[in-house]
Amino acid sequence: KAGVTQTPRYLIKTRGQQVTLSCSPISGHRSVSWYQQTPGQGLQFLFEYFSETQRNKGNFPGRFSGRQFSNSRSEMNVSTLELGDSALYLCASSLTQGSGEAFFGQGTRLTVV
Amino acid sequence: AQSVTQLDSHVSVSEGTPVLLRCNYSSSYSPSLFWYVQHPNKGLQLLLKYTSAATLVKGINGFEAEFKKSETSFHLTKPSAHMSDAAEYFCVVSVLNFGNEKLTFGTGTRLTIIP
Repeated sequence: KAGVTQTPRYLIKTRGQQVTLSCSPISGHRSVSWYQQTPGQGLQFLFEYFSETQRNKGNFPGRFSGRQFSNSRSEMNVSTLELGDSALYLCASSLTQGSGEAFFGQGTRLTVV
Repeated sequence: AQSVTQLDSHVSVSEGTPVLLRCNYSSSYSPSLFWYVQHPNKGLQLLLKYTSAATLVKGINGFEAEFKKSETSFHLTKPSAHMSDAAEYFCVVSVLNFGNEKLTFGTGTRLTIIP
């Protein structure tokens, strides 16, 4: 079966712009989580959605937001981009909440110039 | 609060020799523990998981890990390294609290295999 699909794979944006990243989870999976990966901070949890509701949130500013649709697909949005937002953004899907077993997409590499 | 510490940022071993990647955890609740692997330009893949069943957990590609509560450790081992094992490895602790789960990742250990 198809894995987790993230689009686009690569993105270059200018400071001050906004960006939307998309994640399609594995079919049947209802939980989607987002992570930011940078060389300096490692992997940091952004938020988790389950059944279209945000269930958990990491310590990121309000410029980072997300949503989940009825088909479990998820989007995350970053407004007013800063240079420090340059990172690999990873999406992970799980069958249910609390399974702990997440399947990751290949990520979206965002570069802010 | 929960946290995980990977004791080595970089480990180098020769092909065919044993691999040991060290991980210590801290958790206020009964944790679930995982090891994930990330190959270059790829997403993360689950190697194995501990969820309070057997303390010795076997994963994919010949890896295994032992949960030691007294030492709060969950070290990853493999008897014989292969060139394809070169990657970054993440130890992860998960706590399910009031129906919400949060995965906390270690900073990663980069494994290099010497031919």
